[in-house]
Amino acid sequence: SAVISQKPSRDICQRGTSLTIQCQVDSQVTMMFWYRQQPGQSLTLIATANQGSEATYESGFVIDKFPISRPNLTFSTLTVSNMSPEDSSIYLCSVASVSTDTQYFGPGTRLTVL
Amino acid sequence: EDKVVQSPLSLVVHEGDTVTLNCSYEVTNFRSLLWYKQEKKAPTFLFMLTSSGIEKKSGRLSSILDKKELFSILNITATQTGDSAVYLCAVGGGSNYKLTFGKGTLLTVNP
Repeated sequence: SAVISQKPSRDICQRGTSLTIQCQVDSQVTMMFWYRQQPGQSLTLIATANQGSEATYESGFVIDKFPISRPNLTFSTLTVSNMSPEDSSIYLCSVASVSTDTQYFGPGTRLTVL
Repeated sequence: EDKVVQSPLSLVVHEGDTVTLNCSYEVTNFRSLLWYKQEKKAPTFLFMLTSSGIEKKSGRLSSILDKKELFSILNITATQTGDSAVYLCAVGGGSNYKLTFGKGTLLTVNP
């Protein structure tokens, strides 16, 4: 499986600010996803990051709040914009190859918004 | 809307016990069911099941899928304190490669 890194691993931010999370994979992958896991909850898919085009967002998530970039097959960023305490969560990127459902997750970013 | 329901939500056992975790699902155009173990932040992949009745096994962990009754079980034998974690069940279906996750089962293994 691919080796996935995320930066930062954790951060504490003030409300109204923005944070960009990076996800780097050590090999080219077809699919990249961004998830949110709020305290005590399961994983919720935010969007599928598409290489060279706009991300595909799930219901309840919008590009203005969670802009995503994916300039190539090994790197993606997720920005959490205009943060509020409700955005305090673990944010996870995952990768998969086409034709398989198996997703491998990065180590996650724990975000706390004060 | 796809749905994944796990039970129990939490479970406390003693070392050496055997546990069975359950996952039922409703999904359009089912393709696969996956189990993950989440200890801190990142879920780690355990199994992917696509066919009914074929047991997947890795050490003390095993899992099986019943596509007729729409459920899967994850068994852990001779539990150890290192098995303490949240176990997540996810299903893949439809025309894309998105996964739908259940809420997870929090397993605590006491010495």
